[in-house]
Amino acid sequence: QLQLQESGPELVKPSETLSLTCTVSGGSIRSLISNWGWIRQTPGKGLEWIGSIYYNGDADYAPPLKSRVTLFVDTSKNQFSLNLSSVTTADTAVYFCARQRADAFEKRLDYWGQGTLVTVSS
Amino acid sequence: QSALTQPASVSGSPGQSITISCSGFSSDIDNYNYVSWYQHHPGKAPKLVIYAVTIRPSGVSDRFSGSKSVNAASLTISGLQAEDEAVYYCSSYRSRSSTVVFGGGTKLTVL
Repeated sequence: QLQLQESGPELVKPSETLSLTCTVSGGSIRSLISNWGWIRQTPGKGLEWIGSIYYNGDADYAPPLKSRVTLFVDTSKNQFSLNLSSVTTADTAVYFCARQRADAFEKRLDYWGQGTLVTVSS
Repeated sequence: QSALTQPASVSGSPGQSITISCSGFSSDIDNYNYVSWYQHHPGKAPKLVIYAVTIRPSGVSDRFSGSKSVNAASLTISGLQAEDEAVYYCSSYRSRSSTVVFGGGTKLTVL
């Protein structure tokens, strides 16, 4: 059974970079059928897809965040990571990592981490 | 283009059926049969309940079903139970940007 677990700082200062890592267990991050995604839920609002990355480093990003987001993969550690730069209080959210199918158009998110709350505050 | 459009809330009594709609654009729902639905209980990870419009993942109750018309997808939950109370999100691939988009979420209240 695939399991994902987010880790990283719970508090980030405005204008700094938010960095989170997702550790994958029960399967390989090199899976040919998997992209690895990040999704967030801001307080009182819905889910927002941030982006996803394939094990070879190919990534897609949500247009509103594209200029501030970078995704990385570390295949040796079976981990993938999110960097979100120049954060503001609007980036305070619960951040989830998830497995996203790597089919051409079928992009279901079928395994999720439990989520981690990141607060942006000075 | 904004997120997919869902009603903010829906309610039903135990045993009844409810339907949640999800509408989009030509670059997502209208032209692709790859709508997913997620159930989200507060404080927990979202759970995939329907993908590719109609397919239930293994372990998901057959009380959950999905469908799609020309320009909208729907999730139907039959035989409502208290445990179904949650927020439900639709999602689709958006070809214009090669990204995934979510609906705003629908809060289901079981009366």
